[in-house]
Amino acid sequence: AQSVTQLGSHVSVSEGALVLLRCNYSSSVPPYLFWYVQYPNQGLQLLLKYTSAATLVKGINGFEAEFKKSETSFHLTKPSAHMSDAAEYFCAVTGGSNYKLTFGKGTLLTVNP
Amino acid sequence: DTAVSQTPKYLVTQMGNDKSIKCEQNLGHDTMYWYKQDSKKFLKIMFSYNNKELIINETVPNRFSPKSPDKAHLNLHINSLELGDSAVYFCASSPLTDRNYGYTFGSGTRLTVV
Repeated sequence: AQSVTQLGSHVSVSEGALVLLRCNYSSSVPPYLFWYVQYPNQGLQLLLKYTSAATLVKGINGFEAEFKKSETSFHLTKPSAHMSDAAEYFCAVTGGSNYKLTFGKGTLLTVNP
Repeated sequence: DTAVSQTPKYLVTQMGNDKSIKCEQNLGHDTMYWYKQDSKKFLKIMFSYNNKELIINETVPNRFSPKSPDKAHLNLHINSLELGDSAVYFCASSPLTDRNYGYTFGSGTRLTVV
């Protein structure tokens, strides 16, 4: 079985500051890891994914994430926050014979002017 | 064209009623899912169908019954609605043989039971 823990249900940054959203996973098989973003009253949009090709993954809107097996982590970063980045962010994991995508509880990112 | 479309977007109904939510995908994916997002934004899988066959059935009350007439459609029927069923329901799809792909989500159906 897989699980995901997102540290911090709410992260607040100033515009232009570094964004760091933390995700730790648990998986008994090599994991596939994803970050999704949900803007208010919208569905989930895929930001980026780790699929074992490269440990540093670049996604849309300037986000990237680094897979660290030794730390079982897949933290999401962006060098400079923009007001439009304010949203809920979800880390998710799947793997093995079970194609179920299991989500973390989400982190709400607010960006202050 | 919307890749995964759900109807209706909003649904307000009284306790005890029966309602359905429809989902259609035009991506050619084999697998479709229903997720429930509660008021705290927690996403939990309910069901998954692969080519019209049920492959995931989480612990969901049997008042919830999914139906997949073909691999492009997955509908969710809910009987005897309860207050606790109020949530946002998301449909998603993925190609079964490509884990790299992730899921594509619809925009959600906000169900409010009064």
